[in-house]
Amino acid sequence: AQKITQTQPGMFVQEKEAVTLDCTYDTSDPSYGLFWYKQPSSGEMIFLIYQGSYDQQNATEGRYSLNFQKARKSANLVISASQLGDSAMYFCAMREAGAGGGADGLTFGKGTHLIIQP
Amino acid sequence: NAGVTQTPKFQVLKTGQSMTLQCAQDMNHEYMSWYRQDPGMGLRLIHYSVGAGITDQGEVPNGYNVSRSTTEDFPLRLLSAAPSQTSVYFCASRLIMTGQGGPYEQYFGPGTRLTVT
Repeated sequence: AQKITQTQPGMFVQEKEAVTLDCTYDTSDPSYGLFWYKQPSSGEMIFLIYQGSYDQQNATEGRYSLNFQKARKSANLVISASQLGDSAMYFCAMREAGAGGGADGLTFGKGTHLIIQP
Repeated sequence: NAGVTQTPKFQVLKTGQSMTLQCAQDMNHEYMSWYRQDPGMGLRLIHYSVGAGITDQGEVPNGYNVSRSTTEDFPLRLLSAAPSQTSVYFCASRLIMTGQGGPYEQYFGPGTRLTVT
């Protein structure tokens, strides 16, 4: 079973609209972290936002917020007031704290290609 | 701080050739890792290291070797390149998690685009 599922391969959004990128995850570890990364066409991986499994509040970073619904195992990224520069691939990823071994690394979803239209 | 650096940026190999992808970080991070990114697959963990002298396998380790002789450097070796290893390779580093505090985000290098013909 996939640990991270991103169900939207691609999205087109009008500039200045809000965007929600979906991410669901699967883990039995009570301690985990969820990350969102942006990958523009230039290829670098840019860290956007983090949510810990024990965090009581949803994470926010400027125009980015994470809609964390723990019971549903959902960690959607919300981008408010989208801009042309937001066009990129977006990856959701998870780190499970207790599993050890290779689980110390990040498990990535397959990504969502977001295109902002003027 | 240069962060995480990778060389080369691009490389073309013939099947059976060997090469080493270089990765270095100047943030004194204990944890370093290598990922490969293939179209439609997201990033997958190849090998990782939690400190000098300690390495372990990730999800897709076959065909790759690593070593960690210093905190700063974590090279990835392809002993006999195959077309299936055509990919973009990312090196990443972070602090070791010691509790619930902080995101311990991974810092990624710019990537190496490798083509094996």
